[in-house]
Amino acid sequence: DAKTTQPNSMESNEEEPVHLPCNHSTISGTDYIHWYRQLPSQGPEYVIHGLTSNVNNRMASLAIAEDRKSSTLILHRATLRDAAVYYCILRGAGGSNYKLTFGKGTLLTVNP
Amino acid sequence: DGGITQSPKYLFRKEGQNVTLSCEQNLNHDAMYWYRQDPGQGLRLIYYSQIVNDFQKGDIAEGYSVSREKKESFPLTVTSAQKNPTAFYLCASTPQKGQASAFFGQGTRLTVV
Repeated sequence: DAKTTQPNSMESNEEEPVHLPCNHSTISGTDYIHWYRQLPSQGPEYVIHGLTSNVNNRMASLAIAEDRKSSTLILHRATLRDAAVYYCILRGAGGSNYKLTFGKGTLLTVNP
Repeated sequence: DGGITQSPKYLFRKEGQNVTLSCEQNLNHDAMYWYRQDPGQGLRLIYYSQIVNDFQKGDIAEGYSVSREKKESFPLTVTSAQKNPTAFYLCASTPQKGQASAFFGQGTRLTVV
């Protein structure tokens, strides 16, 4: 499985932008980059995904490096409700293997 | 509303007893997954299934068993062979396409005493 590497923890202040990095140097050409977040005692929820181009949705933006070996999840104005563990994972677009694995993620703390 | 449901939310069992955790989805997703999460840790894959009547071991399958008799259901049995069963268990489902997002249940917190 292609692996991702994320910092264990990050800290931000409320209403400031947050940039959460993810390294995936062994990414293949057909792997999509997905981000999920998990609030305490809940199941993870989907945040955003992309393949090559930067992506925006109502929750966040995803910036993908030109060589695709890294990406950054951007929360434009952090709120206290954004405090969560953020997971960056890779998912193949085809083939027969649908194994879905998560690392430890980044624990984001948002200070008021 | 479409979604994925895990039950119960909290479960207590005595050591040495088998226990089955329920996971049901009405999203018509082909693939379903079970994960275990320990305090302060990430998600570890136990088993996954891509189609009915077929499933594969994940990274920590020992002491667990699953079945996939129906597309919408993927129950997980925690057997007495699992040495440290107390944990938070999460079920997920996805359509077959890799670019599609996964949906998670709200989890079952199992405590074995």
